[in-house]
Amino acid sequence: DAGVIQSPRHEVTEMGQEVTLRCKPISGHDYLFWYRQTMMRGLELLIYFNNNVPIDDSGMPEDRFSAKMPNASFSTLKIQPSEPRDSAVYFCASRRNRGLSYEQYFGPGTRLTVT
Amino acid sequence: AQSVTQLDSHVSVSEGTPVLLRCNYSSSYSPSLFWYVQHPNKGLQLLLKYTSAATLVKGINGFEAEFKKSETSFHLTKPSAHMSDAAEYFCVALSINAGGTSYGKLTFGQGTILTVHP
Repeated sequence: DAGVIQSPRHEVTEMGQEVTLRCKPISGHDYLFWYRQTMMRGLELLIYFNNNVPIDDSGMPEDRFSAKMPNASFSTLKIQPSEPRDSAVYFCASRRNRGLSYEQYFGPGTRLTVT
Repeated sequence: AQSVTQLDSHVSVSEGTPVLLRCNYSSSYSPSLFWYVQHPNKGLQLLLKYTSAATLVKGINGFEAEFKKSETSFHLTKPSAHMSDAAEYFCVALSINAGGTSYGKLTFGQGTILTVHP
């Protein structure tokens, strides 16, 4: 299995531009999570999906952030318009809904820089 | 509400000496606990997990952790550090409720940066 795939790995954009981050979860996994990691705040859960349905988006910082999961193999996190304070590493993770393992498998992350 | 506290933000050891990374948790229900490792500019990799089976859990790369309910601790250890162990380590909790299901969220500790000196 290729693991969780994220693209792009690095994104540099100017303030005010739209940014779209992409994630392909591990095949067969029912849950998908989006996290943000910064030095100041550590790892924060932004939103998670179960069977393509958003379950909890209470971590999404504001309306500029939106996430979709149109099918079981693809999700996007969009920031529009982007701001310098959005600069962070964004991780996508997935897990299956069987047994008691519950471990999440993380992608390599997208490093976003907003200038 | 649950929480995870990693007691040291930085730990520095010499190569070949033991490693101890400390973690305490609080949870209303029996937790599942994990240790993840993040090498520089990499994603998070699962080291080991505790899910109410054996209290001493062995993971990859020679790491192990012991769940102590009386102390609400889940410390990570390794007998002999290697240079390649230098990374940031996260203690993570997932609450399992009385019905055996999960709320679906992980709670991360603040992370401990491990430095290994030659």
